Amino acid sequence: GAGVSQSPSNKVTEKGKDVELRCDPISGHTALYWYRQSLGQGLEFLIYFQGNSAPDKSGLPSDRFSAERTGGSVSTLTIQRTQQEDSAVYLCASSPRLAGDRETQYFGPGTRLLVL
Amino acid sequence: AQSVTQLGSHVSVSEGALVLLRCNYSSSVPPYLFWYVQYPNQGLQLLLKYTSAATLVKGINGFEAEFKKSETSFHLTKPSAHMSDAAEYFCAVTPGNNDMRFGAGTRLTVKP
Repeated sequence: GAGVSQSPSNKVTEKGKDVELRCDPISGHTALYWYRQSLGQGLEFLIYFQGNSAPDKSGLPSDRFSAERTGGSVSTLTIQRTQQEDSAVYLCASSPRLAGDRETQYFGPGTRLLVL
Repeated sequence: AQSVTQLGSHVSVSEGALVLLRCNYSSSVPPYLFWYVQYPNQGLQLLLKYTSAATLVKGINGFEAEFKKSETSFHLTKPSAHMSDAAEYFCAVTPGNNDMRFGAGTRLTVKP
């Protein structure tokens, strides 16, 4: 079956503009995660969804960042008034509900965001 | 809380040589451990995972890792490096909930 997909694959925007990043998880996966990976850095956790609710928003770096998930499927990460330090690769992952595999996160290809 | 330390941000080996990427973890409960690989301009791909079954875990592309509780380690090995193994490798740990912690990554370079 299809894996996690993300769109757009690349996004170039001007400082101060808003951007929306989309994630389509693997069908049937109940958990969804957003991470940020800055150049040469590891993964920075942003937010996690179980179904449509987000029990853990602790990683969002500022109130300019928000995320939602609808229908237990697609998620959108929105960055308002983008800053140059927001430039990074934004990775999405999903996990199944099945016992024995729910601990595993399956990643999408990422969205490369460049803020000029 | 759990955490992961990857020793060596860069590892360089010759083609055909042994690959050893080190990972040590800290966890207050029995952990689930993972190795992911990231090729240039791509997302993370699962290499292998340890979920309390066999301590020696075999993954894709000839990689394997051994869980050693006494050493709190989960090092990744491959007997013979291939040029296509050049990538960034991430070790990760979770207690089994949705809190996964990643190491800083190790960049593997394979020399011809």
